[in-house]
Amino acid sequence: AQKVTQAQTEISVVEKEDVTLDCVYETRDTTYYLFWYKQPPSGELVFLIRRNSFDEQNEISGRYSWNFQKSTSSFNFTITASQVVDSAVYFCALSPFNNAGNMLTFGGGTRLMVKP
Amino acid sequence: DVKVTQSSRYLVKRTGEKVFLECVQDMDHENMFWYRQDPGLGLRLIYFSYDVKMKEKGDIPEGYSVSREKKERFSLILESASTNQTSMYLCASRTFRAGRGAGQPQHFGDGTRLSIL
Repeated sequence: AQKVTQAQTEISVVEKEDVTLDCVYETRDTTYYLFWYKQPPSGELVFLIRRNSFDEQNEISGRYSWNFQKSTSSFNFTITASQVVDSAVYFCALSPFNNAGNMLTFGGGTRLMVKP
Repeated sequence: DVKVTQSSRYLVKRTGEKVFLECVQDMDHENMFWYRQDPGLGLRLIYFSYDVKMKEKGDIPEGYSVSREKKERFSLILESASTNQTSMYLCASRTFRAGRGAGQPQHFGDGTRLSIL
């Protein structure tokens, strides 16, 4: 069975602060995919990043960065110099590697509020 | 850009009614999914479809059925709506072709907020 835990249900920061969203997962699979999605108030989930389990290289995309640590089963997401437009619910998700249905297991989500 | 369109943003129905939620995607994706989203629980998979006329139960299929007669359309049906089915429903689609693996991201619609009175 797979499980994704996002322990932070809600985070509030002031604009320009850095913020890290935690994601811890459990799986018996040796190979898998991890994802982050953003859900702004409009409701649509927007895909941010995919990481496969055999690539532990961290990734940076503008103000966003992701830290994948297989040893601790964590895939944390950091926003540097946060902006009001970053306010959203963020979901971490896990998928088996060889799965035709790409069945995603989602965490409970973290609501990020960035105040001006 | 991939477009996944859900027929209604908000819907109010009564207990016992048969409810249809429609989802259409325009990118010829093989896989389609229906989730419900509840506070603190994230997204939970109700049903998914590998391809036309194919369907598989997800984690919480009870009280729901689905239909996929055409590749672009995936319908979720609440056979007899109950108040515990009040939720946000999200449809998603994804390509899955030989050699492209299981890592393609799912693309989501805007969601339907369904209230059962």
